[in-house]
Amino acid sequence: EIVLTQSPATLSLSPGERATLSCRASQSVNNYLAWYQQKPGQAPRLLIYDASNRATGIPARFSGSGSGTDFTLTISSLEPEDFAVYYCQQRFNWPPYTFGQGTRLEIK
Amino acid sequence: EVQLVESGGGLVPPGGSLRLSCAASGFTFTGHSMSWVRQAPGKGLEWVANINQVGGVRYNEDSVKGRFTISRDNAENSVYLLLTSLRAEDTAIYFCAKEQLGVGFDHWGQGTLVTVSS
Repeated sequence: EIVLTQSPATLSLSPGERATLSCRASQSVNNYLAWYQQKPGQAPRLLIYDASNRATGIPARFSGSGSGTDFTLTISSLEPEDFAVYYCQQRFNWPPYTFGQGTRLEIK
Repeated sequence: EVQLVESGGGLVPPGGSLRLSCAASGFTFTGHSMSWVRQAPGKGLEWVANINQVGGVRYNEDSVKGRFTISRDNAENSVYLLLTSLRAEDTAIYFCAKEQLGVGFDHWGQGTLVTVSS
């Protein structure tokens, strides 16, 4: 099973600042990595797939990068609605599909 | 518009069973694999099971341990998850998710809560 480790666990920033979230895989997942956003009481929403492709309707301030074992989600300038929990997920080697434990992005 | 609507959750005693349903609309159901993903209270996401377009199935054996069965009815545009021998650690919101080939879980339902308790 591929283990995904996200860091930091919690990130405290202010609106307008840049956010950088990390996801590290226990072995290579090529570029088959996705990022999801989840707000309280809501279902997850797909943001990025295949490491760097924005899903339909996702604002350009969200970007993804990386390949192999190290990946980054960047939010260039935080909007109030961006404060949420973010998960990475791999689909390279399954079953099982695996998720990271999440990074909580909170308002400073 | 893609819609996934889960139902069937509730309170069940340990050892009990429950059948979850997910009604899909707004896309060609027969063209997509479907998955169930769960989230224990205050915890992260855990993939549970997948069923492809023709009924082939895969499970997260570490968590399911042969107790859950995923199925689909293409005529009804629905996917199901039968939960048996339920344990307290199965308490979670169970989400139905549509899989887009080459992308991932591109649409999710709002989830149905399963609580295992006496």
